[in-house]
Amino acid sequence: EAQVTQNPRYLITVTGKKLTVTCSQNMNHEYMSWYRQDPGLGLRQIYYSMNVEVTDKGDVPEGYKVSRKEKRNFPLILESPSPNQTSLYFCASSPHTFTGELFFGEGSRLTVL
Amino acid sequence: KQEVTQIPAALSVPEGENLVLNCSFTDSAIYNLQWFRQDPGKGLTSLLLIQSSQREQTSGRLNASLDKSSGRSTLYIAASQPGDSATYLCAVEKAAGNKLTFGGGTRVLVKP
Repeated sequence: EAQVTQNPRYLITVTGKKLTVTCSQNMNHEYMSWYRQDPGLGLRQIYYSMNVEVTDKGDVPEGYKVSRKEKRNFPLILESPSPNQTSLYFCASSPHTFTGELFFGEGSRLTVL
Repeated sequence: KQEVTQIPAALSVPEGENLVLNCSFTDSAIYNLQWFRQDPGKGLTSLLLIQSSQREQTSGRLNASLDKSSGRSTLYIAASQPGDSATYLCAVEKAAGNKLTFGGGTRVLVKP
């Protein structure tokens, strides 16, 4: 089954404790992206990647890192999480940028205390 | 900076009525526009993708139009059903593989 898989789905952590949210897609997609969704602010793009070893900042990249060492994986790293990073995070992928149709994961709800 | 607006934020209609959802954007230099559906606690599902050279796209009961010059897109859902209850979001892409900007969404309730 074609899918985008995120882990963990739910996480409660404390300020400053490094964490990684993994994202994996099994569709051989070139394009992958991370978003956060907050009440009243909607969905905002954090980082995106157009292919292996190619990443770029979205609208809200501060406090996040990403890497794209393999085509299927695009982990989101929070080196030193803070309470303002409490949010619902989504990973998405797309076959090609000109095709554009995005496939989303189920989301990861992160709480930073 | 691109801004995407969806009005109204919430909409309630009786079953069988046609739904009309609006999306407006400030910068008409877009690459494509996409409509999504989001169910509570779930990820987004792509409904329709309109390339900048297209005027509309159709899929079953769904039809989306695009007017770049006026910065507007409309999603029509014919003969609404309770299963259509969800939040609908539009998103615009400024250039191929570039940043995607989402609207705030319209929460739809279809009453049986």
